[in-house]
Amino acid sequence: KNEVEQSPQNLTAQEGEFITINCSYSVGISALHWLQQHPGGGIVSLFMLSSGKKKHGRLIATINIQEKHSSLHITASHPRDSAVYICAVGGGSNYKLTFGKGTLLTVNP
Amino acid sequence: DVKVTQSSRYLVKRTGEKVFLECVQDMDHENMFWYRQDPGLGLRLIYFSYDVKMKEKGDIPEGYSVSREKKERFSLILESASTNQTSMYLCASSLFAVSTDTQYFGPGTRLTVL
Repeated sequence: KNEVEQSPQNLTAQEGEFITINCSYSVGISALHWLQQHPGGGIVSLFMLSSGKKKHGRLIATINIQEKHSSLHITASHPRDSAVYICAVGGGSNYKLTFGKGTLLTVNP
Repeated sequence: DVKVTQSSRYLVKRTGEKVFLECVQDMDHENMFWYRQDPGLGLRLIYFSYDVKMKEKGDIPEGYSVSREKKERFSLILESASTNQTSMYLCASSLFAVSTDTQYFGPGTRLTVL
């Protein structure tokens, strides 16, 4: 069973700061997902990575397959980025995902 | 845009009651999921359905059953609710049953069992 660890658990930043959230996993994977959950809200998929790097607006996600590690970066953070960010991994042709516990990000104005 | 809706945002039930949580998706997805989310734990899969009337147990199926009579609707049933089933329940759907595919989540139902 894959073990997924996210760090930090909680992160507080000032508006405009560069944010990094980390995800490590223990077993080789086919896919890594970054998800966003706003307070009281549902979950939205941000990225799916199997290698390399993806960028969408101010969000950048990278993955290092050899080191079993991924990072989610937020440039020029804004209070509306405040949310829980969740990493999830899956392997092979199986549909199952293993989820991290999430990182609570608070961006203060 | 895919839309996944859940019947209630908040629900309060008594111990021993039968509880139905409903989920509907509008994108003709074959695959639907029920998860629960608890503080300090990641999302955990309760049940998965890959077609009408077809289901697979997830990691924590005990105390739950499911029903999928129509492609767009996936119901989670708590036969006799207990206090340890107090949780946030999230439904999701996907086009393909592989880990590389995006899962689309509903808004969640926060269930409290008294």
